[in-house]
Amino acid sequence: NAGVTQTPKFRVLKTGQSMTLLCAQDMNHEYMYWYRQDPGMGLRLIHYSVGEGTTAKGEVPDGYNVSRLKKQNFLLGLESAAPSQTSVYFCASSYDSGLDQPQHFGDGTRLSIL
Amino acid sequence: DAKTTQPPSMDCAEGRAANLPCNHSTISGNEYVYWYRQIHSQGPQYIIHGLKNNETNEMASLIITEDRKSSTLILPHATLRDTAVYYCIVRVLTNTGNQFYFGTGTSLTVIP
Repeated sequence: NAGVTQTPKFRVLKTGQSMTLLCAQDMNHEYMYWYRQDPGMGLRLIHYSVGEGTTAKGEVPDGYNVSRLKKQNFLLGLESAAPSQTSVYFCASSYDSGLDQPQHFGDGTRLSIL
Repeated sequence: DAKTTQPPSMDCAEGRAANLPCNHSTISGNEYVYWYRQIHSQGPQYIIHGLKNNETNEMASLIITEDRKSSTLILPHATLRDTAVYYCIVRVLTNTGNQFYFGTGTSLTVIP
């Protein structure tokens, strides 16, 4: 069972470069999320999606864009990478928004901006 | 904003039960308590969740006090592979959706 798959697993960028992180889930979940995790801190929500073709801002959306063109995929883009965006990025999905629905996470993308 | 309080670290002997406490004194009536763990640098792994009643699955047991202001995650027979950071989370409805607020968790070390 693949669950939530993130690609790439590691990436090093130079300041100002752009890139896209891909998240794919095979559980037919409606909701998908992007979080970032910095050393010594918990996860913070960047953007989320409640279904195909919809996206919304989370707690820390600045500097990121997202797209949900297909139900199973959720893309996170950095248009002009900054050192402050060095972090570990986690994608998650859930069946719906019910309070009794757990989120399932991928193994993360480790991104370094030089 | 995290609504839970956990000890920063705990040790447990291999083979013994690990009891991880969590305080959530401001929990509302319809808010669930979730437990996740994060091993090394992997993604958070779902363990268990509950509302009022105690819950048990193949990984752990969740004991919620009658007033729901605290809970305990129990790993019945801890192994070295259970060494991880454990997060207690109260699921809340916010204007940014149904997000999970991960605090800093409890770092559990299982000792041989």
